[in-house]
Amino acid sequence: GEDVEQSLFLSVREGDSSVINCTYTDSSSTYLYWYKQEPGAGLQLLTYIFSNMDMKQDQRLTVLLNKKDKHLSLRIADTQTGDSAIYFCAEFKPGNTPLVFGKGTRLSVIA
Amino acid sequence: KAGVTQTPRYLIKTRGQQVTLSCSPISGHRSVSWYQQTPGQGLQFLFEYFSETQRNKGNFPGRFSGRQFSNSRSEMNVSTLELGDSALYLCASSSKEGTPLVFGAGTRLSVL
Repeated sequence: GEDVEQSLFLSVREGDSSVINCTYTDSSSTYLYWYKQEPGAGLQLLTYIFSNMDMKQDQRLTVLLNKKDKHLSLRIADTQTGDSAIYFCAEFKPGNTPLVFGKGTRLSVIA
Repeated sequence: KAGVTQTPRYLIKTRGQQVTLSCSPISGHRSVSWYQQTPGQGLQFLFEYFSETQRNKGNFPGRFSGRQFSNSRSEMNVSTLELGDSALYLCASSSKEGTPLVFGAGTRLSVL
């Protein structure tokens, strides 16, 4: 596809794990990013993964990359109410092109 | 290290007016990118500047323009404002190609 695709909404209970999925467009993309946006704020970089990696873990965050299917996921363990936000995946394609973002997944955490 | 600073944070304009938004990147970052964020369209790329030169441009009409100064600060200008230009305008800086973009808090523009 031509667009970075994400589900628009995800709702989880506090303490559960959240998994946010993303399908990107270009198998030659070198970097894949996850950003978080809280209400009224800009985008905050959460984590990123190089295309030669399959997995990256950073505290409660785990990123999985399936290059064959061009699928990226972000798992948040022990989800807290403070994790409620919009999560964007983005891909960087080589060749001096801008970062391309998905439309974002709104995560709602129910106490 | 100070983050990316965007001014003003909020703006209200009327149709037909023009507006200038400002962005100060992180010290040492030479690349500045601008994005428009709306509920319907998500994040759309406007343009990128590197060392005072426009390196990339998105698919926006000529009413949207920008520039970068020798100290890497950037401005974007929108002329003849339309209601549909109401959006959050985000600026981001990076040190070089492929490194993560660091975003400012944005300027929320409302066109009445």
